[in-house]
Amino acid sequence: AQKVTQAQTEISVVEKEDVTLDCVYETRDTTYYLFWYKQPPSGELVFLIRRNSFDEQNEISGRYSWNFQKSTSSFNFTITASQVVDSAVYFCALSRYGGSQGNLIFGKGTKLSVKP
Amino acid sequence: EAGVAQSPRYKIIEKRQSVAFWCNPISGHATLYWYQQILGQGPKLLIQFQNNGVVDDSQLPKDRFSAERLKGVDSTLKIQPAKLEDSAVYLCASSLDLGGLTDTQYFGPGTRLTVL
Repeated sequence: AQKVTQAQTEISVVEKEDVTLDCVYETRDTTYYLFWYKQPPSGELVFLIRRNSFDEQNEISGRYSWNFQKSTSSFNFTITASQVVDSAVYFCALSRYGGSQGNLIFGKGTKLSVKP
Repeated sequence: EAGVAQSPRYKIIEKRQSVAFWCNPISGHATLYWYQQILGQGPKLLIQFQNNGVVDDSQLPKDRFSAERLKGVDSTLKIQPAKLEDSAVYLCASSLDLGGLTDTQYFGPGTRLTVL
């Protein structure tokens, strides 16, 4: 069975601090995709990044970076120099490889509050 | 490019009443998804369409929920009769059909349903 665990329910930081959101996943598939989505108070899920299971190269995009480690089944997300606008619920998600099996399995989310 | 459109944004009904939600996916996206997001949880897939055919409805409570996508574009999700536990945000998402490969899902703003 597929499962995504986000152990951190809520995190509160002060602006300009760095913050890392943890994600651990379970799957029996050898090929799969991992995603991070952001859900601001407005409610819309905003796509941030997608990574496939055979690409463990970590990535930096502006203030965001991702650390994918297949050996520990983790896909962590770091925001550097956080800003108030980063306040949102962040979801990690897993999907199977293949169009007809593209259903996303979400974690319960981590609520990030960035205070000025 | 226009995103996924959903209406209404909010709906309040009494239990045992009926309700319908509408979704218009991103132009050209063959795959459409309906998710249910209960407060404090990650979204859970209800149904997935590929064009106008159902790919996965294993988690749809078929005794009260129904969905259709007659012309392979717009979709409606109906609940009849509603129960208190149906209070949630209903999210619609769409993705391209990459011929068997998983593509990124883009989400609409959601419909927040309150059942009294």
